[in-house]
Amino acid sequence: DQQVKQNSPSLSVQEGRISILNCDYTNSMFDYFLWYKKYPAEGPTFLISISSIKDKNEDGRFTVFLNKSAKHLSLHIVPSQPGDSAVYFCAARTNSGYSTLTFGKGTMLLVSP
Amino acid sequence: EPEVTQTPSHQVTQMGQEVILRCVPISNHLYFYWYRQILGQKVEFLVSFYNNEISEKSEIFDDQFSVERPDGSNFTLKIRSTKLEDSAMYFCASSGGTPWQETQYFGPGTRLLVL
Repeated sequence: DQQVKQNSPSLSVQEGRISILNCDYTNSMFDYFLWYKKYPAEGPTFLISISSIKDKNEDGRFTVFLNKSAKHLSLHIVPSQPGDSAVYFCAARTNSGYSTLTFGKGTMLLVSP
Repeated sequence: EPEVTQTPSHQVTQMGQEVILRCVPISNHLYFYWYRQILGQKVEFLVSFYNNEISEKSEIFDDQFSVERPDGSNFTLKIRSTKLEDSAMYFCASSGGTPWQETQYFGPGTRLLVL
């Protein structure tokens, strides 16, 4: 039951370049999407979110794009920094009263100097 | 900056023993959650809690699990009789005034190892 899919388990990028992390979903009831970053032995840290009424949300170096028709979202990090090296989780929720998060399996990003 | 805290950071227990994992959510938050991540797998939802009762739970959250908010600050997850497959990282999360369109903030997790 993979309602949220992150098909790339890992991604390597050079410092200063763009990192693009992708996420696909199957549940058309999802209407709010979040990206979390996770370092080893720590909890997920919220990065950025997007509502289904938007197609883009930007916060500093982080931009999330949502393509509802394709059920696809992506996280762009520009410019990438070595400190961005972590596992990135895509998560989604439905607009129900006590909505829980459904996570993807994560993509490990490695930014090399 | 307010944060979710969890204790202990690590817990080792024998199969069949009871464990209690503790969380202190962000103080003005109203919605509380437990998730777990088995090594190498994705983060999975266990249970959500609001107004002193469970609002949603997953298939994983069977009769061996229970949650409680014993006072105004703590939120606990109890596993009554642990099994080997309960070994995982357990994350507590909390969110604010409305459960939708609200970000869930996670604690650092408790690593549970059942032997």
